[in-house]
Amino acid sequence: AQSVAQPEDQVNVAEGNPLTVKCTYSVSGNPYLFWYVQYPNRGLQFLLKYITGDNLVKGSYGFEAEFNKSQTSFHLKKPSALVSDSALYFCAVTGSNDYKLSFGAGTTVTVRA
Amino acid sequence: EAGVAQSPRYKIIEKRQSVAFWCNPISGHATLYWYQQILGQGPKLLIQFQNNGVVDDSQLPKDRFSAERLKGVDSTLKIQPAKLEDSAVYLCASSSSWTGGVNEQFFGPGTRLTVL
Repeated sequence: AQSVAQPEDQVNVAEGNPLTVKCTYSVSGNPYLFWYVQYPNRGLQFLLKYITGDNLVKGSYGFEAEFNKSQTSFHLKKPSALVSDSALYFCAVTGSNDYKLSFGAGTTVTVRA
Repeated sequence: EAGVAQSPRYKIIEKRQSVAFWCNPISGHATLYWYQQILGQGPKLLIQFQNNGVVDDSQLPKDRFSAERLKGVDSTLKIQPAKLEDSAVYLCASSSSWTGGVNEQFFGPGTRLTVL
């Protein structure tokens, strides 16, 4: 069975500071990893994905994520956070042996001005 | 490009009543998903369609939930009868292909269901 862990329920940072949202996963086969963001009363929006290749993936709105196979992690990062980045972030995984997408419980990011 | 459309946006019903949700995916997307998102949790897949065929409904409570995707485009999800624990946001998503799981899914705004 595949699973995703987001160890932090909440992350608080000041605007302009680096932002990191942690994600670890467990999957059978090669992992396909995704980050989604959810704003209040809106559906999930795709940020970025790792399928294969370079371990550092760049996505929308200045976000990037680093795939670490040995640590089974896929942490989301942004060098300089904005107040508008405040939202709920979900990490998700599927594997080459399964097409079903499994989501973490989410991390609420609050960026204070 | 129009996104995934869902209706209604909000629904309040009493337990044991019936409710139906509608989804229109992005044009040309063959794969359609219904998720249940309970407050404080990540989305959980209920059912996945490829065109008008069911690919996976292993987590759908079939004694009360049903879904169909006639003609391989729009889809409806029905709950009959509803229970208190069905209170959640129901998300519809679509993708261009499910093969290998490599394609991102595009989500609609969701329907927030409250069962009293």
